[in-house]
Amino acid sequence: GPKVLQIPSHQIIDMGQMVTLNCDPVSNHLYFYWYKQILGQQMEFLVNFYNGKVMEKSKLFKDQFSVERPDGSYFTLKIQPTALEDSAVYFCASSLAGRDTEVFFGKGTRLTVV
Amino acid sequence: GEQVEQRPPHLSVREGDSAVIICTYTDPNSYYFFWYKQEPGAGLQLLMKVFSSTEINEGQGFTVLLNKKDKQLSLNLTAAHPGDSAVYFCAVSLTSGGNYKPTFGKGTSLVVHP
Repeated sequence: GPKVLQIPSHQIIDMGQMVTLNCDPVSNHLYFYWYKQILGQQMEFLVNFYNGKVMEKSKLFKDQFSVERPDGSYFTLKIQPTALEDSAVYFCASSLAGRDTEVFFGKGTRLTVV
Repeated sequence: GEQVEQRPPHLSVREGDSAVIICTYTDPNSYYFFWYKQEPGAGLQLLMKVFSSTEINEGQGFTVLLNKKDKQLSLNLTAAHPGDSAVYFCAVSLTSGGNYKPTFGKGTSLVVHP
């Protein structure tokens, strides 16, 4: 079935550095999402993105976070600067939208900030 | 906004027993409902998507029931086996101007003992 690819699967970064998480969504999808999961627990919504713009963001989407999808390439989540509490697994997702919509998730990027 | 309560947080059953996980949501305009399975270190695997028009949904080895009156969604594994051991998440989505944003329950960690 359709796949969302996330690159890399693991990343270790020094606190204060910048990190970019990459997501290759399903090719014809129009809506894109980032979720944060800490310690295998709840999936927390961060942000969704459509037509080049952030549609909605949660309180977890701090000022240090940004998203973009330049020219239909990767959908990225950038954190600058990183903090220890940013350590988590970040899941990217995409959906086509429309009434019969299904959100497809990637396998996640495990980010460890040290 | 939408809130989703999932219970129980942990569930331990013997092989062949049934296992029931329940999610309760708050927004009566919820339209799409999903159950995901997450094995250790892996991404989310979609078990079933349910639309608000369908109350009983049969999968392979499980049934999903939607009770719109009580705003409740349940996953019933009819004869669990050790391969079912995983964390299960429900997710609920609205259609609000195309701003799809699945809201997740906190997950249920299921362990099936041989």
